Amino acid sequence: EAAVTQSPRSKVAVTGGKVTLSCHQTNNHDYMYWYRQDTGHGLRLIHYSYVADSTEKGDIPDGYKASRPSQENFSLILELASLSQTAVYFCASGTGDTEVFFGKGTRLTVV
Amino acid sequence: AQSVTQPDARVTVSEGASLQLRCKYSYFGTPYLFWYVQYPRQGLQLLLKYYPGDPVVQGVNGFEAEFSKSNSSFHLRKASVHWSDWAVYFCAVSDTEGADRLTFGKGTQLIIQP
Repeated sequence: EAAVTQSPRSKVAVTGGKVTLSCHQTNNHDYMYWYRQDTGHGLRLIHYSYVADSTEKGDIPDGYKASRPSQENFSLILELASLSQTAVYFCASGTGDTEVFFGKGTRLTVV
Repeated sequence: AQSVTQPDARVTVSEGASLQLRCKYSYFGTPYLFWYVQYPRQGLQLLLKYYPGDPVVQGVNGFEAEFSKSNSSFHLRKASVHWSDWAVYFCAVSDTEGADRLTFGKGTQLIIQP
């Protein structure tokens, strides 16, 4: 079964601090994504990547950076965390053809 | 840009009753559409997907959806709901042919009454 593992599962960060969310997939997928989910909203695309060492901006990239050091790993980086970035973050992977597989999410609270 | 609208934020259904969750999409061209389900504190799981062809698609756990180009809709249906169907349901459209850069609706919370 396709597996996307996110770490940590939850985190409390201080405003202005740096936060790194990690994602690891064992699906051998080339495509990886970071989404953000806010209460009452669907998922919105932050960054995505089609190949290692290359990332692309999604619909809401401001305040976020992404890193794809290998096919399996995709990180989301908040250089200066802000209160407005409190949300649940989902990583996903896929082949671009049939299905996108999601991790269980990381609940980030910025205080 | 494409978009997805789920007009009902919350739907309440009695256990054993039938269900329809509505989804309207906006997409230039032929859409590739998906329904995902999110159980509490879980990630999203695929229920079913529509690729151009038969407008009625079957999914897991007795769910099905019907694509209508004329109505720009992709409604989800189930003949008889179970308490375990209590979850949030998301409709999504792919940015390309296939499954890539999905755009999601805001989701519909399904509540099951005993």
